[in-house]
Amino acid sequence: NAGVTQTPKFQVLKTGQSMTLQCAQDMNHEYMSWYRQDPGMGLRLIHYSVGAGITDQGEVPNGYNVSRSTTEDFPLRLLSAAPSQTSVYFCASSSDSTGKPEAFFGQGTRLTVV
Amino acid sequence: AQRVTQPEKLLSVFKGAPVELKCNYSYSGSPELFWYVQYSRQRLQLLLRHISRESIKGFTADLNKGETSFHLKKPFAQEEDSAMYYCALNSGGSNYKLTFGKGTLLTVNP
Repeated sequence: NAGVTQTPKFQVLKTGQSMTLQCAQDMNHEYMSWYRQDPGMGLRLIHYSVGAGITDQGEVPNGYNVSRSTTEDFPLRLLSAAPSQTSVYFCASSSDSTGKPEAFFGQGTRLTVV
Repeated sequence: AQRVTQPEKLLSVFKGAPVELKCNYSYSGSPELFWYVQYSRQRLQLLLRHISRESIKGFTADLNKGETSFHLKKPFAQEEDSAMYYCALNSGGSNYKLTFGKGTLLTVNP
């Protein structure tokens, strides 16, 4: 059971480049979220989705786009990378059906923007 | 707006000593609180949730609404407890809008 899978694990971008961080889950969870983890800042919510076709902004959405065309996938797009977006990005999924509230996290993508 | 505060960035104890990781929150509604843990080179995972009133790996946490606290405790620390611990507050229906504290790095020395 793979759970939540993120690709790539590491990425280096030049300022101004665009890229997509991939996130896929195989648990049929309706909810998915993206967080960024910065030293001394904890994890902060970027965007989230409550189902296919429905997304909303979190605490730090600027510079990022998301879409949710399927239940399984929730890609995060950086439109024009900036050094301030250097961070570790985590995708998470959760569901009402488990009966026990819990977010399941991917292993993270470490992004460096130079 | 909700907020989660973990006052200690670093906490170092010796094996067998008691451990308490502090967490305070502010939230206008009825809080739903969690502790997540990240061991070295592993993904973030749930340690325990306040509604279950459970003990996981010897850790417990009690929600104190009067003091708006959810401190994590263990009577006898083990070296394998060394990790980053995050307190989190759920403001979404099913854990899709978590507000995290800044985390406490616990080191248990032999």
